[in-house]
Amino acid sequence: ETGVTQSPTHLIKTRGQQVTLRCSSQSGHNTVSWYQQALGQGPQFIFQYYREEENGRGNFPPRFSGLQFPNYSSELNVNALELDDSALYLCASSWKGGADTQYFGPGTRLTVL
Amino acid sequence: AQSVSQHNHHVILSEAASLELGCNYSYGGTVNLFWYVQYPGQHLQLLLKYFSGDPLVKGIKGFEAEFIKSKFSFNLRKPSVQWSDTAEYFCAVLHNAGNMLTFGGGTRLMVKP
Repeated sequence: ETGVTQSPTHLIKTRGQQVTLRCSSQSGHNTVSWYQQALGQGPQFIFQYYREEENGRGNFPPRFSGLQFPNYSSELNVNALELDDSALYLCASSWKGGADTQYFGPGTRLTVL
Repeated sequence: AQSVSQHNHHVILSEAASLELGCNYSYGGTVNLFWYVQYPGQHLQLLLKYFSGDPLVKGIKGFEAEFIKSKFSFNLRKPSVQWSDTAEYFCAVLHNAGNMLTFGGGTRLMVKP
């Protein structure tokens, strides 16, 4: 069974740029959730994708957007990067639209300069 | 909005000491409860979970947690910690009406050999 994978591992961007992060879900899972983990804090829910549709969103602005593909992999896009977007971005996959255990990937560390 | 509180931010113990980490949540409806662990340099891993049934749940590596509905608590325990338990521990709540995990701020545990 393949676990959740994310790419890239690390990324450095400057303010105002755009970034795309990628996630491959664990085999057999059809739901992907994205979380932002700032240094020293717990992860915060950004949004979830289930069957290629957004299935819930946390308190993040519209410049955070996403996609899910037919193979259930997902992308997180962030436009107009701000310094406060520097964080670890975690992807989690699950079954049944998220009402089940979520399994996390290793994360992408984004630094915005 | 629901919230999760972990009252101990940093805990330092000697090997063989007993551990109890507190977790309280604010949501009043039906909840699913989780403890995740993040070892240094590794991704978030599921330690244990409670969905229904026996409120005392056992997880990996000798950890257990007790769900006390009247106290809105889900405390994590281990009778005898090991140096390898050094990690950050996160309590999380998934309420059945939603699909997102709400995390506490985490407890950083250091076990001295």
